[in-house]
Amino acid sequence: AQSVAQPEDQVNVAEGNPLTVKCTYSVSGNPYLFWYVQYPNRGLQFLLKYITGDNLVKGSYGFEAEFNKSQTSFHLKKPSALVSDSALYFCAGFSGGYNKLIFGAGTRLAVHP
Amino acid sequence: EADIYQTPRYLVIGTGKKITLECSQTMGHDKMYWYQQDPGMELHLIHYSYGVNSTEKGDLSSESTVSRIRTEHFPLTLESARPSHTSQYLCASSEYKGQGGGYTFGSGTRLTVV
Repeated sequence: AQSVAQPEDQVNVAEGNPLTVKCTYSVSGNPYLFWYVQYPNRGLQFLLKYITGDNLVKGSYGFEAEFNKSQTSFHLKKPSALVSDSALYFCAGFSGGYNKLIFGAGTRLAVHP
Repeated sequence: EADIYQTPRYLVIGTGKKITLECSQTMGHDKMYWYQQDPGMELHLIHYSYGVNSTEKGDLSSESTVSRIRTEHFPLTLESARPSHTSQYLCASSEYKGQGGGYTFGSGTRLTVV
C-alpha cells in the first residue's frame, strides 16, 4: 500500500539552530513528493516539491528538502530556524497512476527563542 | 495568494440544522477535494471530484454530501448537523499530475455544532 510517514509528532528546536522534519514514503514508481505548512486556523500552504532532477529541492521561506531514493526519505530542512517557522508541517506524495495525494500525519515544529 | 475560497470561515450552528460549506476556485482545476481536520491533527479525505458531475467518497466515512455542477464550485452539505461534525473543513483543488500535481488549499471553515 502507498503511504507517507512522518515519524515525529513534534520537533523542538532553538531559534538560529538548523531544523529537520522527517518524512519517509512508500510508493510505487517515480514519486512526486511535497511539503506543506499550516499555520493556526489556516489552510495548507505549499512549500516545495520534488518531481525529478536534483535531489536537493529549494522552496519558500528558506526551506529545502533532500530526496533520498535509497532511504525512501524526503526530509525538510532549514539552516537557521525562526520562531515564525513554528507551525504544522505535512509531507505528501503520489506516484504512478495514483490520482490523489497521500498526506502524512503532520509534524508540529516548535521553535523556541 | 490562494485562488481558492471557502465561506464561511467560522460557523456556529445548532444541532439538526442543514448547512452548506462553500468552496470556489478560479484556477480552472478539474480536481477538487474536501478534507476534515481536527485541530492540529492529520487530514482526512472525505470527498473528491475529478470534474463536473463527478463525485466520489474519500477515505473517511462522512455523513456529508457534495455536488459538482460547475468546474469552479464544489459545495459540501450536511443535512442535519450534529456535535460530532464539529471540525475544520478544508477544500483543495489540484493540477493534473502531468502539470506537477500540486494542491492549492482554501483557508478552511471551522464548524462548531452546539
